[in-house]
Amino acid sequence: KQEVTQIPAALSVPEGENLVLNCSFTDSAIYNLQWFRQDPGKGLTSLLLIQSSQREQTSGRLNASLDKSSGRSTLYIAASQPGDSATYLCAVRRVLQAGTALIFGKGTTLSVSS
Amino acid sequence: EAGVAQSPRYKIIEKRQSVAFWCNPISGHATLYWYQQILGQGPKLLIQFQNNGVVDDSQLPKDRFSAERLKGVDSTLKIQPAKLEDSAVYLCASSLGLGQGSEQYFGPGTRLTVT
Repeated sequence: KQEVTQIPAALSVPEGENLVLNCSFTDSAIYNLQWFRQDPGKGLTSLLLIQSSQREQTSGRLNASLDKSSGRSTLYIAASQPGDSATYLCAVRRVLQAGTALIFGKGTTLSVSS
Repeated sequence: EAGVAQSPRYKIIEKRQSVAFWCNPISGHATLYWYQQILGQGPKLLIQFQNNGVVDDSQLPKDRFSAERLKGVDSTLKIQPAKLEDSAVYLCASSLGLGQGSEQYFGPGTRLTVT
């Protein structure tokens, strides 16, 4: 059974700091891994999608890495801003005979103070 | 391009009542998902459709939950009768297809409170 764990559960940093969010998964048989952002009371916004054959993806100040063999991914946020405050969710897409649902972690709630 | 639409955004009902949620996926997206997100947890899949057929409903509590996707476009999720533990955000997502590169796009969700 695939399980996704995110550490830490919550993180508070001052504006301008670089930070790393961690995600681990128990089964390396995945198609891809996706990082999402969720603002309070809102839906999920996709940040980065890494295919199983890729090692990393970058978008602006965000960089996500994937080490499938060790079952780990990291989301690196450079020069954090108060607007980055949100919950960040990691999700993996399983390799199944049918169904392509995402398995989510519980998320890391980030607070960036000005 | 319009995103995934859901309604209502909020719903409060008493236990044992019934409720229905509606989802309109992104135009052209063949795959539609319903997820349940309990406070403090990550979303959990309830049911997945490919066009108007069910691909995966293994985690759907079928004694009280039902879903349909007539005509392969819009979808409705129904709970009857509701229990207190059904209080959650119900998220609808869609993707182009089942291909491994298909990215899922999420709607804003419906927040259900059962009292």
